Amino acid sequence: SAVISQKPSRDICQRGTSLTIQCQVDSQVTMMFWYRQQPGQSLTLIATANQGSEATYESGFVIDKFPISRPNLTFSTLTVSNMSPEDSSIYLCSVATVARGEKLFFGSGTQLSVL
Amino acid sequence: KNEVEQSPQNLTAQEGEFITINCSYSVGISALHWLQQHPGGGIVSLFMLSSGKKKHGRLIATINIQEKHSSLHITASHPRDSAVYICAVTRDSNYQLIWGAGTKLIIKP
Repeated sequence: SAVISQKPSRDICQRGTSLTIQCQVDSQVTMMFWYRQQPGQSLTLIATANQGSEATYESGFVIDKFPISRPNLTFSTLTVSNMSPEDSSIYLCSVATVARGEKLFFGSGTQLSVL
Repeated sequence: KNEVEQSPQNLTAQEGEFITINCSYSVGISALHWLQQHPGGGIVSLFMLSSGKKKHGRLIATINIQEKHSSLHITASHPRDSAVYICAVTRDSNYQLIWGAGTKLIIKP
């Protein structure tokens, strides 16, 4: 069974609009990670979502563009705001859990295309 | 120079061949991960290594901490093994990953 449910799986959006991506985990995890994978590239970490505090953003990513919510230990959202074609990517959430042998788990990804 | 280097970048082989993908890293790590990404984006964690060797089915992963090198082997390869294989390392216990660029593997029937 899936550890992480991510949705939507894909979307086509207009320039200037925003899209919110959701990840639901089937157990409580302390840290959730949001990644972007641009075509033909490896994954780039956007931010680490911590429950009860502000997300920690990596260099080149800002909260105004990629606001993140983490209301509890099983759920997080990433919003891609004021989208442009350059935001067309796969977005993935990820968790790591010691309880399951320190393995990494990933959502199925959101394929975003911005026109 | 990237902190995590994978080779080869691309690999095409015939069904049944023994496959080796290599990963070298230049930083101190707490663990090394091998992941598989299929077309469409889904990523599956194959192994987490901090020492030695692990085996799961036809997949074998080894790591040499002194040489800062890991290998992923696939025995009796099959077309369904076709995917991108990614090596990633964690430097501490917060699970933030440093990613290799991936190896695109195609197994032809």
